[in-house]
Amino acid sequence: NAGVTQTPKFQVLKTGQSMTLQCAQDMNHNSMYWYRQDPGMGLRLIYYSASEGTTDKGEVPNGYNVSRLNKREFSLRLESAAPSQTSVYFCASSAASSYNSPLHFGNGTRLTVT
Amino acid sequence: ELKVEQNPLFLSMQEGKNYTIYCNYSTTSDRLYWYRQDPGKSLESLFVLLSNGAVKQEGRLMASLDTKARLSTLHITAAVHDLSATYFCAVGRNRDDKIIFGKGTRLHILP
Repeated sequence: NAGVTQTPKFQVLKTGQSMTLQCAQDMNHNSMYWYRQDPGMGLRLIYYSASEGTTDKGEVPNGYNVSRLNKREFSLRLESAAPSQTSVYFCASSAASSYNSPLHFGNGTRLTVT
Repeated sequence: ELKVEQNPLFLSMQEGKNYTIYCNYSTTSDRLYWYRQDPGKSLESLFVLLSNGAVKQEGRLMASLDTKARLSTLHITAAVHDLSATYFCAVGRNRDDKIIFGKGTRLHILP
C-alpha cells in the first residue's frame, strides 16, 4: 500500500523557472493538502482541497497554484519560482472530516531555488 | 482566523523525567492532532482527539483535550532517548476541512 506518493523528491530551480509538484494517494481520501516546512516555522498550509473539484487557499498561497485533477491527484505549481520558495513541501491526505482520520503525509519534496 | 501556538518550542530534558508540551488554539475547532517528526523524515500520526475531555495514551505519551480552554497537552512520562524528535500539534475544522499546524516542539532527551 503506497499511501501518499510525492514526486520529485529533490529539485533545484533557477529564479523564474516553473515546475509542478505531483502528489497522488491511493487511500480513497476526500481531502488533500499542500504544506511547506521551513526551519522554525512549522508546517504552513499553502492550499487544500476538501473534495474533488474544490480547492481553497491556506495560510501562504501567494506564488502557488493547485489542481485537483481527480480524487487521487493534487498538484502544486510554481509559475515563477523565487528564492523565498526554497523549502520542503509535503502533500497530505485525509478521509472525510467527520471521521477519526489523521492526515497521511508523503515523504516530501526538497526544493531549492537559486 | 485559526491559529495554533505550541510551547515550549525547544525542550531539553533528562531521561526518566516527566514533561508536558502545550498546544493552544484560537477558535473553535473539531479535531486536534499530534504528530511526530524525526530529522529529515516525514510526519507520523500519534493521536487524533475529537471531543472535550478526550484522553489517549500510547506508551510513554499521553494526549488530552480541553475544548473549553482550547488547550491540548502532550505528556511524556519517564522520557527515554528514543522519544527525541519534533512534535507538532494541529487543529482542524469540519466546516471547511482546513488543518493548521503549530510551529512544533523540538524535544531533546539527554541520556
